[in-house]
Amino acid sequence: DSGVTQTPKHLITATGQRVTLRCSPRSGDLSVYWYQQSLDQGLQFLIQYYNGEERAKGNILERFSAQQFPDLHSELNLSSLELGDSALYFCASSAQGAANQPQHFGDGTRLSIL
Amino acid sequence: EDKVVQSPLSLVVHEGDTVTLNCSYEVTNFRSLLWYKQEKKAPTFLFMLTSSGIEKKSGRLSSILDKKELFSILNITATQTGDSAIYLCAGNSNSGYALNFGKGTSLLVTP
Repeated sequence: DSGVTQTPKHLITATGQRVTLRCSPRSGDLSVYWYQQSLDQGLQFLIQYYNGEERAKGNILERFSAQQFPDLHSELNLSSLELGDSALYFCASSAQGAANQPQHFGDGTRLSIL
Repeated sequence: EDKVVQSPLSLVVHEGDTVTLNCSYEVTNFRSLLWYKQEKKAPTFLFMLTSSGIEKKSGRLSSILDKKELFSILNITATQTGDSAIYLCAGNSNSGYALNFGKGTSLLVTP
């Protein structure tokens, strides 16, 4: 158990809908990262937050947004969903967000778009 | 553009065999290379390598980094069926933000 908690585990919805994925980092970790894993693309970085502030953006679509709250949990919002958004979404956390600290991953949310 | 390439893509071995998984990287302002094991769910952290030539070891698993050749290997000795998983390699730069993952090596250990 990595200590990173993600909910829900599985989400099934239709095209055009909006969903929110939630992540609680490990106790004491200030930095949260979101990744998308699909069969053809592998694990792709979406966005990072550090202590409530956005720190870095990767290949995140404009339809997607995220935030980190004062209690350090984070939410990833996905809107106007398309079939191609079906994937595993992982949250990871690290203590300070520095390159010499490993990121620890949650079990992911599997999003299925019908 | 940063790139991490793993080989082989897939490997099937018998229990007791030794395997070597490869990872080559091109990461701007490279800082560290990480190995993860992914079974059904979360990638589980194995090793972080920052210095060339220093082997990291955990039980039957070991890993080493060659910063001159931009290469890392992960060795698993006396493999067991529980080692069956996808092994992911990722590069990290000094910015400390995204992990840049390879596509992974799928290892199947048969009894």
